[in-house]
Amino acid sequence: EVQLVESGGGLVQPGRSLRLSCAASGFTFEDSAMHWVRQAPGKGLEWVSGISWNSENIYYADSVKGRFTISRDNAKNSLYLQMNSLSAEDTALYYCTKAVGFMYYFDCWGQGTLVTVSS
Amino acid sequence: QSALTQPASVSGSPGQSITISCTGTSSDVGGYKYVSWYRQHPGKAPKLIISDVSNRPSGVPDRFSGSKSGNTASLTISGLQAEDEADYYCSSYTSSSKGVFGGGTKVTVL
Repeated sequence: EVQLVESGGGLVQPGRSLRLSCAASGFTFEDSAMHWVRQAPGKGLEWVSGISWNSENIYYADSVKGRFTISRDNAKNSLYLQMNSLSAEDTALYYCTKAVGFMYYFDCWGQGTLVTVSS
Repeated sequence: QSALTQPASVSGSPGQSITISCTGTSSDVGGYKYVSWYRQHPGKAPKLIISDVSNRPSGVPDRFSGSKSGNTASLTISGLQAEDEADYYCSSYTSSSKGVFGGGTKVTVL
């Protein structure tokens, strides 16, 4: 069974940092592009960042570029999102997703980890 | 990358058919065959229901169908059921390799 489990969310003060993790199982992680998608409370889905299977291709939404860094460790079947200079606008449920192709579609989603930025 | 345009809400009675539109540009919806649709029930993660414009993943009922014309993709739900009440999002591959979603459509079963 394909499974994605996010962790690392929590309450953080504006301007601080947080690192999210996603543990993958049930599929060949090293062959798959992976992405982070977030959803602010009561709002729609927003694509955040994506990384190719070999980490050679990385893309960010304009809203997080320069502040967030996506990475992966294929040996550990894990995806990460380092989030710096957080603001209230980053408050959201962050989903880890598995993609087909680099981003043809997202065929598996985790349950999400909640990040709340507040003083 | 601007969000794709979806109607905020669509409603229908049980057994009826409804269609949700998703409008983009030639740089996303109109330029590729990689439009996908996701269903999200309250408090749950999104679930893929249509990939590659019109393909249904295993386990998705054939009541769900997708199509595309020009820069607009559509999701049709036939034989509407109470369990179809949820939020629906479209997404498309883009020329910039950045992801894009629609704003979401709330489907209400009357």
